[in-house]
Amino acid sequence: GENVEQHPSTLSVQEGDSAVIKCTYSDSASNYFPWYKQELGKRPQLIIDIRSNVGEKKDQRIAVTLNKTAKHFSLHITETQPEDSAVYFCAASISSGYSTLTFGKGTMLLVSP
Amino acid sequence: GAVVSQHPSWVICKSGTSVKIECRSLDFQATTMFWYRQFPKQSLMLMATSNEGSKATYEQGVEKDKFLINHASLTLSTLTVTSAHPEDSSFYICSARTGNTGEKLFFGSGTQLSVL
Repeated sequence: GENVEQHPSTLSVQEGDSAVIKCTYSDSASNYFPWYKQELGKRPQLIIDIRSNVGEKKDQRIAVTLNKTAKHFSLHITETQPEDSAVYFCAASISSGYSTLTFGKGTMLLVSP
Repeated sequence: GAVVSQHPSWVICKSGTSVKIECRSLDFQATTMFWYRQFPKQSLMLMATSNEGSKATYEQGVEKDKFLINHASLTLSTLTVTSAHPEDSSFYICSARTGNTGEKLFFGSGTQLSVL
């Protein structure tokens, strides 16, 4: 089955700095890669996703890049703000009606004012 | 966007009792629902996948008789933790997906279960 590795497990940055979280996946058939943000005690929220036919996707301060050959994808957050502090999960799946998402272990991002 | 409601948000129960958690899709029909368990500061661990009208598919290591899942309609799935013990204490969270949303998952707000 799919295995998703996520690094780092914790990341501390100063407000205004950029943050990068990296994930690798094992199943070359995976073609859908979402990122979720989970604040303490709350539900995970989808913040951005990318499909394998695209190399990069951007939404305001958030961007995701995908390297299919190397089987890794990354989340980039620019101009970080304290409210970006949360746990971020990457995931991978095969896009089909019955596929399941495999999640990485998560990265706790702390943005200090 | 799609909304998934989960109840209760927290529950405290005595060891040996059963607890039912409900997961409802409010504005869409969820053909597939997933149940996860999450320990503090850890990732989401998939417990089972349920498709409406059929038996749930459990992940390896998850006891189907311990964690009963019922997906009787396109908007409701329930997880019953039977004969709960302190080691079952955890954050349980459901998610739902529909053919219209494709592979996008929408999560419930989670249930914190504490077994005394």
